[in-house]
Amino acid sequence: DTAVSQTPKYLVTQMGNDKSIKCEQNLGHDTMYWYKQDSKKFLKIMFSYNNKELIINETVPNRFSPKSPDKAHLNLHINSLELGDSAVYFCASSQDANSPLHFGNGTRLTVT
Amino acid sequence: QQQVKQSPQSLIVQKGGISIINCAYENTAFDYFPWYQQFPGKGPALLIAIRPDVSEKKEGRFTISFNKSAKQFSLHIMDSQPGDSATYFCAAKRSGTASKLTFGTGTRLQVTL
Repeated sequence: DTAVSQTPKYLVTQMGNDKSIKCEQNLGHDTMYWYKQDSKKFLKIMFSYNNKELIINETVPNRFSPKSPDKAHLNLHINSLELGDSAVYFCASSQDANSPLHFGNGTRLTVT
Repeated sequence: QQQVKQSPQSLIVQKGGISIINCAYENTAFDYFPWYQQFPGKGPALLIAIRPDVSEKKEGRFTISFNKSAKQFSLHIMDSQPGDSATYFCAAKRSGTASKLTFGTGTRLQVTL
């Protein structure tokens, strides 16, 4: 059983398009996150949600909009994709904000 | 501002050797210091973590050493194995719902035969 699952695994799209990445966790955790890993492998938090409520919103362009329909799901919608958005996006979850993070296997987004 | 500095960027160790990765932090409010291991094509996975009330924590071949006064912590991998070849990230966080886990820049470890 996959604990934190993301779809799709790969996403190739053209500049200006809108795309979504879905994330689901079956761990019963209350907190979910989106992280971005760039080409140099640097990991940076984008958003965190606790029980469907937005807790952390880093300085991310407002083209990125997270949505949490319930505490087991956190989706990421990206409008007007740019070349610089190319990266691996990781979803993660934790029991609460002070517990270890469990990461999904990532979505590799390539914008051409 | 890089709040958690990690070195080296890459490391090559022979099988059976000791791998050492170092991290330094700036924010004295940090009170949780985990290490994550990431294999190609996978997400990071928690390896071991420490809180500042102890100076060392050992789990199998993996040990974290923590120096609160120097604001440094390190990961030691004893008897390194080829299967340990991965990217390792240190991280730091302070307690609190709205605090974020800040990662170091990663160390790519290669263990050779």
